[in-house]
Amino acid sequence: DAGVTQSPTHLIKTRGQQVTLRCSPKSGHDTVSWYQQALGQGPQFIFQYYEEEERQRGNFPDRFSGHQFPNYSSELNVNALLLGDSALYLCASSLDVREGSNNEQFFGPGTRLTVL
Amino acid sequence: GEDVEQSLFLSVREGDSSVINCTYTDSSSTYLYWYKQEPGAGLQLLTYIFSNMDMKQDQRLTVLLNKKDKHLSLRIADTQTGDSAIYFCAESIYYGGSQGNLIFGKGTKLSVKP
Repeated sequence: DAGVTQSPTHLIKTRGQQVTLRCSPKSGHDTVSWYQQALGQGPQFIFQYYEEEERQRGNFPDRFSGHQFPNYSSELNVNALLLGDSALYLCASSLDVREGSNNEQFFGPGTRLTVL
Repeated sequence: GEDVEQSLFLSVREGDSSVINCTYTDSSSTYLYWYKQEPGAGLQLLTYIFSNMDMKQDQRLTVLLNKKDKHLSLRIADTQTGDSAIYFCAESIYYGGSQGNLIFGKGTKLSVKP
């Protein structure tokens, strides 16, 4: 089992550009969540995908969008990049569970995005 | 709003016990988690505890939960240099019965001195 994989590992972009990050969930998992981790901070929830739809969203602007494919893999897109978007972007996969159940999420190694 | 707080740094000597503390705000959280992050890496799930428990032990790790005070702690027995990392406490937040997301603290950096 390869676990959660993400690509690329590192990325350098300039302000105003657009970026796409990719994630493949752990085998058997159908739910993908994306988190942003700024330097020295804990991860912050961006959004979550299940059945190819965005199910929940954190406090992030519309410049952040995503997609989930039929094979459960997912992409995170960020438009009009700002310097403040520089961070480690983490993908987490899990099984679809309902309230009161164990929301165990498995994280990938992340993509380090630097915006110049 | 939801918030998870942790002390930022902890330094211990090899062989001692480490205790990392966390407070959370959402009393409806049913599961609470501890993750470990080594430099340049993603998050590794260490352990979790269900809210109707007050203690869970898993090898060198002991989790204590005081639900009344919304206080969670992680004790690492016989701390080793390989335990040096950042440790995150997280609570699970649900909206309308659907799959929830995790709210993380800022992390506690554990330094283990030989």
